[in-house]
Amino acid sequence: GAGVSQSPSNKVTEKGKDVELRCDPISGHTALYWYRQSLGQGLEFLIYFQGNSAPDKSGLPSDRFSAERTGGSVSTLTIQRTQQEDSAVYLCASSLAPGTGHQPQHFGDGTRLSIL
Amino acid sequence: TQLLEQSPQFLSIQEGENLTVYCNSSSVFSSLQWYRQEPGEGPVLLVTVVTGGEVKKLKRLTFQFGDARKDSSLHITAAQPGDTGLYLCAGAWAGKSTFGDGTTLTVKP
Repeated sequence: GAGVSQSPSNKVTEKGKDVELRCDPISGHTALYWYRQSLGQGLEFLIYFQGNSAPDKSGLPSDRFSAERTGGSVSTLTIQRTQQEDSAVYLCASSLAPGTGHQPQHFGDGTRLSIL
Repeated sequence: TQLLEQSPQFLSIQEGENLTVYCNSSSVFSSLQWYRQEPGEGPVLLVTVVTGGEVKKLKRLTFQFGDARKDSSLHITAAQPGDTGLYLCAGAWAGKSTFGDGTTLTVKP
């Protein structure tokens, strides 16, 4: 597809379960970002992948959160032993290599995660 | 940590009015972006400003980057209901971005 694709679009799960969220970036984009957004709020940075470099995990809120990016393309964000405070919209974005400046980030429509 | 503060948090106006949204920081950014987000969708980039003092216009929207590259403003002239949405500023440095908490704009017909 032409844009960033995220799946599922909605996920409802019970507290304590593990969840996996998927992001398909725009082809050719080497940078990939995960953010978390609470209702009507700004974006909380979670993790950043750039090419083959080690990911910047500085935004992950706890060790229950992890992410990987296979083959420099698709990324999966995993949340283990989910808690109610994990409920939010999880947004993925991709861009060309930012270098020392900035490249526009292209966002998917997010996964709305609800923990019961 | 690079922090961005947006104000106001909420803004509700009548069609035809003008408005300004502010984005402030104590940190210097290499560039600053403004995004607009509609419910159920991801943010969409409106503009990037790079040079201190830069002014960019996009139809009825005017964006300004502060001289010191620490702050920015978004001014909308003659707002329309279609301008309703969440406006986010994001400051970029060293390949990373930090986002403000957003301004929720509602334009009533």
